[in-house]
Amino acid sequence: GAGVSQSPSNKVTEKGKDVELRCDPISGHTALYWYRQSLGQGLEFLIYFQGNSAPDKSGLPSDRFSAERTGGSVSTLTIQRTQQEDSAVYLCASSYKQGSSGEQYFGPGTRLTVT
Amino acid sequence: GNSVTQMEGPVTLSEEAFLTINCTYTATGYPSLFWYVQYPGEGLQLLLKATKADDKGSNKGFEATYRKETTSFHLEKGSVQVSDSAVYFCALPLSGTYKYIFGTGTRLKVLA
Repeated sequence: GAGVSQSPSNKVTEKGKDVELRCDPISGHTALYWYRQSLGQGLEFLIYFQGNSAPDKSGLPSDRFSAERTGGSVSTLTIQRTQQEDSAVYLCASSYKQGSSGEQYFGPGTRLTVT
Repeated sequence: GNSVTQMEGPVTLSEEAFLTINCTYTATGYPSLFWYVQYPGEGLQLLLKATKADDKGSNKGFEATYRKETTSFHLEKGSVQVSDSAVYFCALPLSGTYKYIFGTGTRLKVLA
């Protein structure tokens, strides 16, 4: 079956512009995560969606970052007024099982470059 | 709180060499432990996991044993191949939550 897909695969934008990153999770997966992977760094948790519950936004680095998940499926991560420090690979993952036993399935990521 | 410490890379080995990538953790209780692998240009994928102490996870010739005495989950492979070149991440969940903590990743380069 289809895995997690993300678009675009690469995005180059000018400082100050807004960007939208899209994630299509695996069908039937109720949990969806966004992470940021900066060069030479590990994965930084950004936000988590589980079913119809309110999302956990505790990892978002600033109020320029927001995310939504429509109909419990597709998710969009929006970064407003982009800064150079936002340059990173943004990874989306989904899981069908909440909790510590659930494997996460990752998309290939969106590489964002802010010039 | 829970945390994970992973050996820094890069690690460069010749084909058929023995591989160890160290991972130690601190955790409340005994959470599941994971190793993920990221091949060039791809997202992370689960390599193996162990759900309780003394469990051994294995896949594709890789193994890791959940050792509570040393709070470690070291990744090993007896004979690496060029195709194993990737970045390897150790991970565990935050106790009582759905959040995961990932190590900083260890880049492995295997030379023919």
